[in-house]
Amino acid sequence: EAGVAQSPRYKIIEKRQSVAFWCNPISGHATLYWYQQILGQGPKLLIQFQNNGVVDDSQLPKDRFSAERLKGVDSTLKIQPAKLEDSAVYLCASSRAGGGNQPQHFGDGTRLSIL
Amino acid sequence: KNQVEQSPQSLIILEGKNCTLQCNYTVSPFSNLRWYKQDTGRGPVSLTIMTFSENTKSNGRYTATLDADTKQSSLHITASQLSDSASYICVVSGNYGQNFVFGPGTRLSVLP
Repeated sequence: EAGVAQSPRYKIIEKRQSVAFWCNPISGHATLYWYQQILGQGPKLLIQFQNNGVVDDSQLPKDRFSAERLKGVDSTLKIQPAKLEDSAVYLCASSRAGGGNQPQHFGDGTRLSIL
Repeated sequence: KNQVEQSPQSLIILEGKNCTLQCNYTVSPFSNLRWYKQDTGRGPVSLTIMTFSENTKSNGRYTATLDADTKQSSLHITASQLSDSASYICVVSGNYGQNFVFGPGTRLSVLP
């Protein structure tokens, strides 16, 4: 089975610019997650989707971050405008059910650098 | 506050040796505990998932234990290989299917 696909692999932008990341989960996985991983730290959940509905976005900085999962498959995460502290790896993951005891399958992430 | 702590922060061992990584958590309510392996520049890969009723689970040379009473878990790696060099992340899930709390990880380096 194909894994979670993310693009781009790397992105460099200047502060105050906007950026978007794309994620294609494993086919049939209803749940999709976006995480932010700052260097040397564990991932932090930004948003969790169940199909095309939001389950948890309590840690998403909604003044600058937005995410959508139209049609319950692919998802995009956008940052506008970017700040220096947004420099991190953005990981997308998917799982079969709403979490439970199902493993999350991660993509290799998008490494974002803010100049 | 829901937290997951891991120790040591980093560890260096020689190829062929065993090692044990520790995870302490304060997440409540508890649903399950996961261990992930993250190679440099890659996404985390699931090693084990344990629920409240499980106290040990193995995946090849990796064996995880869970003590739900003391809220501690360990990951034991047997006969380490160079490919085991990675970060190992402990994740605790609270409310069923939600509230995943990630630890900071332990960076393991296996030397020849």
